[in-house]
Amino acid sequence: GAVVSQHPSWVICKSGTSVKIECRSLDFQATTMFWYRQFPKQSLMLMATSNEGSKATYEQGVEKDKFLINHASLTLSTLTVTSAHPEDSSFYICSRVRGNTEAFFGQGTRLTVV
Amino acid sequence: AQKVTQAQTEISVVEKEDVTLDCVYETRDTTYYLFWYKQPPSGELVFLIRRNSFDEQNEISGRYSWNFQKSTSSFNFTITASQVVDSAVYFCALSEAGSWGKLQFGAGTQVVVTP
Repeated sequence: GAVVSQHPSWVICKSGTSVKIECRSLDFQATTMFWYRQFPKQSLMLMATSNEGSKATYEQGVEKDKFLINHASLTLSTLTVTSAHPEDSSFYICSRVRGNTEAFFGQGTRLTVV
Repeated sequence: AQKVTQAQTEISVVEKEDVTLDCVYETRDTTYYLFWYKQPPSGELVFLIRRNSFDEQNEISGRYSWNFQKSTSSFNFTITASQVVDSAVYFCALSEAGSWGKLQFGAGTQVVVTP
């Protein structure tokens, strides 16, 4: 079964509002989780590394004030898209690793901003 | 600089044909990991294989096989006797030991299998 659960699977929001996406590690306490973004018909790009109990590390070009990441517990990381605009419409997916085994991905969240 | 190159944007085959997906990577690390994922229309990523840089053995899993060649920095993926259910986007990805867990994905190859 799934070891990473992401919620919601899809969301539609109005421009200017904020949306929170949750990513849960179901079988393992993850001190680190990762957030990716995928625009239609494009590849997945790493946005940020979520660190439990400390600030997230953002990749170059990702606005940290727009994409707020909180990793308040060892099993939950959240990504909040603040003041969403249509250009933020994308597929957001989280992942975690354990040791050096494969990276486990959530089901992804399809965000549409109207 | 792009570190994972999947030059094939889309490949169309008829069912039962074999299809090979190319993946070329670039890294300065001596320790790294390569992955293949399948992404069906639903969007979720389905893990197919992970291979570390010290293991050049080719691998076969059912109809899937992988050819890892460090000399050419390639990690190609072959689907034998393709089926309609194989239609998806396939991504090759690289994770370097210095940043384990951060995957750098190729652009993906859309595979279309028609009956």
